[in-house]
Amino acid sequence: NAGVIQTPRHKVTGKGQEATLWCEPISGHSAVFWYRQTIVQGLEFLTYFRNQAPIDDSGMPKERFSAQMPNQSHSTLKIQSTQPQDSAVYLCASSRDNYEQYFGPGTRLTVL
Amino acid sequence: LAKTTQPPSMEAYEGQEVNVSCSHTNIATSEYIYWYRQVPHQGPQFIIQGYKDYVVNEVASLFISADRKLSTLSLPWVSLRDAAVYYCIVTGDTNAYKVIFGKGTHLHVLP
Repeated sequence: NAGVIQTPRHKVTGKGQEATLWCEPISGHSAVFWYRQTIVQGLEFLTYFRNQAPIDDSGMPKERFSAQMPNQSHSTLKIQSTQPQDSAVYLCASSRDNYEQYFGPGTRLTVL
Repeated sequence: LAKTTQPPSMEAYEGQEVNVSCSHTNIATSEYIYWYRQVPHQGPQFIIQGYKDYVVNEVASLFISADRKLSTLSLPWVSLRDAAVYYCIVTGDTNAYKVIFGKGTHLHVLP
C-alpha cells in the first residue's frame, strides 16, 4: 500500500499562471479530501468528495479554485490565475469512511 | 473555532514517557476523539481514536476522562522521531469529514 500519492511535490508558478495538483487516493477508499496548510492559517479544509461526487466545497475560494474527481483513482485541484497568497502546502487525504483520514505528503505551491 | 485546547509546546528527553493533554469541554455524545501527528514535510498521520475510557495500540495509548472533557495521549519511550506537532481532533457529527485542526502541541525531543 503506497499510501496517498500527491504530485508534484513542489510547484513554482508565476503570478497569473494556472496550477494543477494531483492526488491518487488509497485504493478502496471512497472519500477524498483537500486541505491547505500555511504557517499563519494552519490546516484548512477545502473540499470533499465521496464516491467521486462533490459533497462539500465550502472551504474553497470561489473564484479561482476548482476540484474534480473524474474517477476513483485520482482527484485534481486546479488554481487559475495563481496569486502569491495561494502559496501553501496543499494536502490530499482519503478515507474508507468519514472518520480516520490518511494524508499524502502534500504539494508545496510557491507563487512568485 | 477549534473545539479543543492543547498546550502549544512540550519538551522531553529521549526515552521518557510523554503525556499530551487535550481539553474538549463541549464534546457531544456523538463525537469521538482523534489524535494525529505531523512531522515536517509530511501530511498529518493518524495515531489513535477513542470514545471513552482507555484505548491502546502499537503506537500510543489514549486515556479519556469519565466526563469525556479531557483526553491524554501517552507516548512511551519517545525518540527523536516522535518530534512532531500533535493534533487532538473531536468530531463525529454529520460534518465528521470536515476535520478542524487547531494549532496542536509541538513536541520537542531532546537527545
